[in-house]
Amino acid sequence: GQQLNQSPQSMFIQEGEDVSMNCTSSSIFNTWLWYKQDPGEGPVLLIALYKAGELTSNGRLTAQFGITRKDSFLNISASIPSDVGIYFCAGQTSGSRLTFGEGTQLTVNP
Amino acid sequence: DAMVIQNPRYQVTQFGKPVTLSCSQTLNHNVMYWYQQKSSQAPKLLFHYYDKDFNNEADTPDNFQSRRPNTSFCFLDIRSPGLGDAAMYLCATSSKRGRVYQETQYFGPGTRLLVL
Repeated sequence: GQQLNQSPQSMFIQEGEDVSMNCTSSSIFNTWLWYKQDPGEGPVLLIALYKAGELTSNGRLTAQFGITRKDSFLNISASIPSDVGIYFCAGQTSGSRLTFGEGTQLTVNP
Repeated sequence: DAMVIQNPRYQVTQFGKPVTLSCSQTLNHNVMYWYQQKSSQAPKLLFHYYDKDFNNEADTPDNFQSRRPNTSFCFLDIRSPGLGDAAMYLCATSSKRGRVYQETQYFGPGTRLLVL
């Protein structure tokens, strides 16, 4: 089956630093999604990417759909304490099933 | 605001005692999903409904069942919970038009299940 490799697994950064995380796959996806999950809550959609090469921003967040359609990255600029959480990438082909990465645990030290 | 609602947020049940988790949505989406998420892991799809059409994942245990009485509501029934079923259960929705699924899935806040 399809698998997504998400890295890094965890990050410990200082407030104000920029963050980058990425997902790669051996399979092609038509859509890439980035979610953030706070402890005890459901994942919240941050950014959705629908076209290869697409670069989309949402406030301090920027994500790109890789030109090969096999990868995506998420950048967070000027991190703040509330950015703490687990970030998941998810890819989808033509069906309904999302393939999730294993998540990146982000810790921001004030 | 349109949203996905899950009740209760926390559920405690006894080993072997049937339990039902509920999900409702005001997004008018025709697809509803149930996921199981264990600590520090990605969500794992159990099954989904496209309208009333039920789609089970191959590795979902028979212990897990689902009902969707109408567009807005979907239930997850665990017939005989075991200790290994303790997890966060997430409901999500999306839309499908004809043969095309809209890829974006919107998640509810989840129900954390504890099995004693």
